[in-house]
Amino acid sequence: DVKVTQSSRYLVKRTGEKVFLECVQDMDHENMFWYRQDPGLGLRLIYFSYDVKMKEKGDTPEGYSVSREKKERFSLILESASTNQTSMYLCASNVGGAYQPQHFGDGTRLSIL
Amino acid sequence: GQQLNQSPQSMFIQEGEDVSMNCTSSSIFNTWLWYKQDPGEGPVLLIALYKAGELTSNGRLTAQFGITRKDSFLNISASIPSDVGIYFCAGQPTGANSKLTFGKGITLSVRP
Repeated sequence: DVKVTQSSRYLVKRTGEKVFLECVQDMDHENMFWYRQDPGLGLRLIYFSYDVKMKEKGDTPEGYSVSREKKERFSLILESASTNQTSMYLCASNVGGAYQPQHFGDGTRLSIL
Repeated sequence: GQQLNQSPQSMFIQEGEDVSMNCTSSSIFNTWLWYKQDPGEGPVLLIALYKAGELTSNGRLTAQFGITRKDSFLNISASIPSDVGIYFCAGQPTGANSKLTFGKGITLSVRP
């Protein structure tokens, strides 16, 4: 089975802090994705990556950056955390090519105080 | 970004009942996916559909890829308490890369 592992299930940080969320997948998937999930808004794509050192903006990239130095790891960075970034963050991955289902991690519930 | 339409936002059923959910779009999709998310967990893939008209089952779950390629349906038969959760549809449009478009999800409650 595909395993997508997110480093933390719950995280509490303060406004202005730099926050790192880590995601690792063990299936040699080319593509990796970061979403945020908020009540009433569904899943919104923040950034995605099709290959090592490659990244593309999703629907809501403002206030975030990403890093993909190795194929299995995709990091989401909140440069200066703000309260409106309190959310559930979900990482996903899939095999390269169109029409392949994405597999999700268990999520990180991040609270910014 | 584009969203898929799922309604109602919540559904309440009695244990043992069947339930049907649908997902609609104004655009054509080449792939339809159904996910379930338990409270505090990430979404888990239930069924993937790749061909218009396709009907696929996974245990008590059956999903169909609409003929028009603009909709999909998920049916759950003989519901049980562990069916509680949020059910999301997702689609990949024609000619797109691997980006998915998601519905906002339907929260299903099952009364024992």
